Amino acid sequence: GNSVTQMEGPVTLSEEAFLTINCTYTATGYPSLFWYVQYPGEGLQLLLKATKADDKGSNKGFEATYRKETTSFHLEKGSVQVSDSAVYFCALMSNYGGSQGNLIFGKGTKLSVKP
Amino acid sequence: NAGVTQTPKFQVLKTGQSMTLQCAQDMNHNSMYWYRQDPGMGLRLIYYSASEGTTDKGEVPNGYNVSRLNKREFSLRLESAAPSQTSVYFCASSVNRGRGLFFGSGTQLSVL
Repeated sequence: GNSVTQMEGPVTLSEEAFLTINCTYTATGYPSLFWYVQYPGEGLQLLLKATKADDKGSNKGFEATYRKETTSFHLEKGSVQVSDSAVYFCALMSNYGGSQGNLIFGKGTKLSVKP
Repeated sequence: NAGVTQTPKFQVLKTGQSMTLQCAQDMNHNSMYWYRQDPGMGLRLIYYSASEGTTDKGEVPNGYNVSRLNKREFSLRLESAAPSQTSVYFCASSVNRGRGLFFGSGTQLSVL
């Protein structure tokens, strides 16, 4: 079945450090891929997305590239800020079969950025 | 701009009690969803409604029922709460199935 695997947290970085959160997926066909962010006490917000191979999603300094050859969608940011502290979820949306149109989430990676 | 509104924000139940979680969206979205979030498990889909008048089971539907009351509202009912249903529940909506989701702020439910 379809699944998403993302790196275990928590991840603790100093302000202005480089961030990578790894995400790989298993899916039939060509899913759409997403990163969502959850700030403390809030619901999830869409951060960025990519709908086909080699697409790069970007938003608020975050980027992720859809790599079909490695089935990956790693999240990166060149210089993190304290305000980026949150839980980040990788997700896929299958475009095939019974689960078509439903989002499948990874377990989340908690990021803490220290001043 | 309210977006997706969930009530209540917090609830404590005793085992066997029933309750309904309410969700309403004001974005004229066709599709609505209920997820639960558990530590180390990510979000898991309970039920969804692709459009008004339809509902379907997700990954973890047992112990829950849903009602798509109209285009705006999608409620989740626990008929006989169990401790395993202690979780944070999120409602979400999207323009159509297959599009990005907008989430509510969640309901933290504890079943003792």
